[in-house]
Amino acid sequence: KAGVTQTPRYLIKTRGQQVTLSCSPISGHRSVSWYQQTPGQGLQFLFEYFSETQRNKGNFPGRFSGRQFSNSRSEMNVSTLELGDSALYLCASSNRQGVTNYGYTFGSGTRLTVV
Amino acid sequence: GQQVMQIPQYQHVQEGEDFTTYCNSSTTLSNIQWYKQRPGGHPVFLIQLVKSGEVKKQKRLTFQFGEAKKNSSLHITATQTTDVGTYFCAGRDNQGGKLIFGQGTELSVKP
Repeated sequence: KAGVTQTPRYLIKTRGQQVTLSCSPISGHRSVSWYQQTPGQGLQFLFEYFSETQRNKGNFPGRFSGRQFSNSRSEMNVSTLELGDSALYLCASSNRQGVTNYGYTFGSGTRLTVV
Repeated sequence: GQQVMQIPQYQHVQEGEDFTTYCNSSTTLSNIQWYKQRPGGHPVFLIQLVKSGEVKKQKRLTFQFGEAKKNSSLHITATQTTDVGTYFCAGRDNQGGKLIFGQGTELSVKP
């Protein structure tokens, strides 16, 4: 079956602009999580969604937001981009339901460069 | 908040040598997961440990979860060049909260 699909793969934006990243999870997976990966900070948790509801949120400013649709596809938005937002944004899906935890399947990520 | 620390940050070994990375959480975990990320790739799920004191093996890889469910380790026996990459642990707290990743251990293997 198809893996986790993230679009676009690469993005270059200017400071102050906004950006929307998309993630299509594995068919049947209802949980989607987003992470920011940078060389200095590793994988930082952004959000987790399950059945269109945000279940957990990381320690990022309000400029970072996300949502999940009824088909489990998810988007994240970053407004008023800053140079420090340059990173690889990874989406991961899982079969997580309730307190039962499963391993994450990651997408290839969106490489965002802010200039 | 919950923190997951992982050491060492880097490890350089000669092919055939063993390798171990350690993971410590500031809080008790409901489970711990391990991932491998090859250079230029994305993290790939290796395994999940749930029970206190659990030990699991995958060929040359041995994973352990501490008795207190606050620490874990990954040991690779007789490393090969295919083991190159960054190994991450990731822990979830008892309240079913977010999955927090350690900083990762970057393994390089010299043939």
